[in-house]
Amino acid sequence: QVQLQESGPGLVKPSETLSLTCNVSAYSITSAPYWGWIRQPPGKGLEWIGNIYEDGNTHYNPSLKSRVTISVDTSKNHFSLKLASVTAADTAVYFCAKYEDAFDIWGLGTMVTVSS
Amino acid sequence: DIQMTQSPSSLSASVGDRIIITCRASQAIGTWLAWYQLKPGKAPKALIFAASRLQTGVPGRFSGSGFGTDFTLTIAGLQPEDFATYFCQQYGDYPLTFGPGTKVDVK
Repeated sequence: QVQLQESGPGLVKPSETLSLTCNVSAYSITSAPYWGWIRQPPGKGLEWIGNIYEDGNTHYNPSLKSRVTISVDTSKNHFSLKLASVTAADTAVYFCAKYEDAFDIWGLGTMVTVSS
Repeated sequence: DIQMTQSPSSLSASVGDRIIITCRASQAIGTWLAWYQLKPGKAPKALIFAASRLQTGVPGRFSGSGFGTDFTLTIAGLQPEDFATYFCQQYGDYPLTFGPGTKVDVK
């Protein structure tokens, strides 16, 4: 059964870079067309952050594009998110997901708080 | 960007009820529409893709319909595990966008 698990620091200081990894198990990361990141600020809705494709190409939300980098490491079967220059507005639960028939498999999510 | 709206924003229902949630896109997206179920502390669950196709393992009481700009999610015979928040999402164009959500709670 395909499983995704997000990992990374739960607390990041303002102006620093948020870094998360999504570990994929029971499935080869090269087998799905896309992998994505989505976030949900406390009490708010879902916001798409970006996708990475099996060929390494990326698509980012224009609202975050200048600060976001998504990469994939096929040797470790995981993909990663970096969000630079974070502020309190970036506090959210961050989800990774497999994208084949829409976002068909999601991770549990990890809460990231931006605070000094 | 394609804006997604949902109605109602919340609804109260009882086990066994049939409920309908509506999702509207600000421009036509064909059938590039998905529905998800979110519960606190759990991984979001994909319910429907391509507006009406059930994801693997999703019970048949869930159904979706619609084309273009107007879509619905129907749960026929609400079960205790269905109390949750439901989001629609369009994937017809970038950036991918989600509706604001519909919270279904116990009447």
